[in-house]
Amino acid sequence: DIQMTQSPASLSASLGETVTIECLASEDIYSNLAWYQQKPGKSPQLLIYYANSLNDGVPSRFSGSGSGTQYSLKINSLQSEDVSIYFCQQNYDSPPTFGGGTKLELK
Amino acid sequence: QVKLLQSGAALVKPGDSVKMSCKASGYTFTDYIIHWVKQSHGKSLEWIGYINPYSGGTNYNEKFKSKATLTVDKSSSTAYMEFSRLTSEDSAIYYCASGANWFAYWGQGTLVTVSS
Repeated sequence: DIQMTQSPASLSASLGETVTIECLASEDIYSNLAWYQQKPGKSPQLLIYYANSLNDGVPSRFSGSGSGTQYSLKINSLQSEDVSIYFCQQNYDSPPTFGGGTKLELK
Repeated sequence: QVKLLQSGAALVKPGDSVKMSCKASGYTFTDYIIHWVKQSHGKSLEWIGYINPYSGGTNYNEKFKSKATLTVDKSSSTAYMEFSRLTSEDSAIYYCASGANWFAYWGQGTLVTVSS
């Protein structure tokens, strides 16, 4: 199975800051990568797919980039509603696998 | 809009089985594969498998092949997952999810607690 390693595991940032979350795949996944946001007590929601395509309704302060084995999610101008756990997920090979998650909190 | 409505929480004994449901609405049920995902300890996510509502074909994660059975009832646009021989390690939230290529739509989750 392809292993997805996210960093950091937790992150504390201030309102208005820019934050970046990294995801490293154990092999080339050819941009078949998604990012999900899971707010406390809720289901995950798709933010970005194919590494850099924004899902409908997702604010433009979210962006994704990367290729090969290295990917990142960037949140510009952090808002209070962005407090969540963020997961990356590869869809290149079966089984689809997720990163361990990054818990984002407000400082 | 697409909605996936899952069955309520279950408290089951070790060694028992549990069957949960996922009722789809807002789209043609046979258009999207239904996936099932396990979330343990409030954090990590694991893909269990999927079922194609059109053909009934399934694909399981090797880890859950002897544990999970996926079925659908097209007449009620409902997918089911049965989890057998439960242990404490199976205590988790189970989600159904669907979408064209990604997990674009998620149910609200079913909490399963395994305890004697």
